[in-house]
Amino acid sequence: TQLLEQSPQFLSIQEGENLTVYCNSSSVFSSLQWYRQEPGEGPVLLVTVVTGGEVKKLKRLTFQFGDARKDSSLHITAAQPGDTGLYLCAGAPQTDSWGKFQFGAGTQVVVTP
Amino acid sequence: DAGVIQSPRHEVTEMGQEVTLRCKPISGHNSLFWYRQTMMRGLELLIYFNNNVPIDDSGMPEDRFSAKMPNASFSTLKIQPSEPRDSAVYFCASRSQGARGQPQHFGDGTRLSIL
Repeated sequence: TQLLEQSPQFLSIQEGENLTVYCNSSSVFSSLQWYRQEPGEGPVLLVTVVTGGEVKKLKRLTFQFGDARKDSSLHITAAQPGDTGLYLCAGAPQTDSWGKFQFGAGTQVVVTP
Repeated sequence: DAGVIQSPRHEVTEMGQEVTLRCKPISGHNSLFWYRQTMMRGLELLIYFNNNVPIDDSGMPEDRFSAKMPNASFSTLKIQPSEPRDSAVYFCASRSQGARGQPQHFGDGTRLSIL
């Protein structure tokens, strides 16, 4: 059983469309991170959110941390083929004093030209 | 700056053989993580070191798996004996002083195939 549930598992859209990926849990996190992973490479950090209700923007990507710090979403506006990848959320449970992160299973995003 | 370096990139071996995966973390980082990634289970944390000391090895599947960090610039993950179900991509990641929210920097992984 995953501590963090990501949905959908797979998303295929055309260039220019918008998409949203969700990351949900029943646990409270002291911080939550989003990573993107491309084939043959390790995950690369996109953003860290630490405050309930926080919204961060990174160009066309918008990240939101839920008020209760149990869930998060990633929204991509006008997706481009370069956005293709596996998107992973990772949360540090509030009960973990070492700040150890646990990962969701990921959402595979494919953006076609 | 050099990132996290893992070797080998690919390993194919027969079941029963010993496998050793290597990791050089980013200089100055004092936390090191070993992960395993499969389609079925996603990215699983195997073991976590802080200042070369194993802090949490609860993710290590069984006694066939062992990890060491003899110094701040090197770590190994060993599987002995290996089994086909160990086939996966193994990642090493490092992070600076265990502050919350600090990014983990991942290597490019070792793709392990046990025949």
